[in-house]
Amino acid sequence: QSALTQPASVSGSPGQSITISCIGTSSDIGGSNYVSWYQQHPGKAPQLIIYDLNNRPSGVSSRFSGSKSGNTASLTISGLQAEDEADYYCSSYTINSGVFGGGTKLTVL
Amino acid sequence: QVQLVESGGGLVKPGGSLRLSCAASGFNFGAYYMTWIRQAPGKGLEWVSYISASGSTISYADSVKGRFTISRDNAENSLYLQMNSLRAEDTAVYYCAREKVSWSLFWRFDVWGRGSLVTVSS
Repeated sequence: QSALTQPASVSGSPGQSITISCIGTSSDIGGSNYVSWYQQHPGKAPQLIIYDLNNRPSGVSSRFSGSKSGNTASLTISGLQAEDEADYYCSSYTINSGVFGGGTKLTVL
Repeated sequence: QVQLVESGGGLVKPGGSLRLSCAASGFNFGAYYMTWIRQAPGKGLEWVSYISASGSTISYADSVKGRFTISRDNAENSLYLQMNSLRAEDTAVYYCAREKVSWSLFWRFDVWGRGSLVTVSS
């Protein structure tokens, strides 16, 4: 199973909105509503921030939202804050397995 | 509170073996699929293996198939990963993680341990 494709890096200024894309295939993202996003700060474990395309776990800010179009999923962060600077990973369920994206480093300028 | 704690990592020579453990607390461990996910230094996340709640269904990534064995002891609330024939490319932080909803696996991992570092080097 090949990894999902994410941009290596994105950046934005405080208060702005950014979007991170995650490109898959019809076998994963295109055929699944079980797309998740994780945030990982340096030296920490990943944290689930979006699941099932656009649902947020309890305690995750409403500034984080997810969507999908065809084989591409997207994570949007609105009202960027300094603490949003982290690595972000997408993932998708496939039949009896799953796959992660390569990760995107978000820099808050 | 809900918690996962890995242990057993360390430095091992190529070709050697290591057994990782993951102690669960704060939830009904025996009702959840569990996974091992690793992250090589400076790299992204890579799924390694998963095991069903009962232990009857197991799957491995191609990169570890035939070398790694996942198991669980629901009475002891523990998950294990036996790693044999280790290679330099197995060097990584190994995380255990819980699927979000009991009795299912849809690649939504809502509880993660802090990770255990495995270094394979001569």
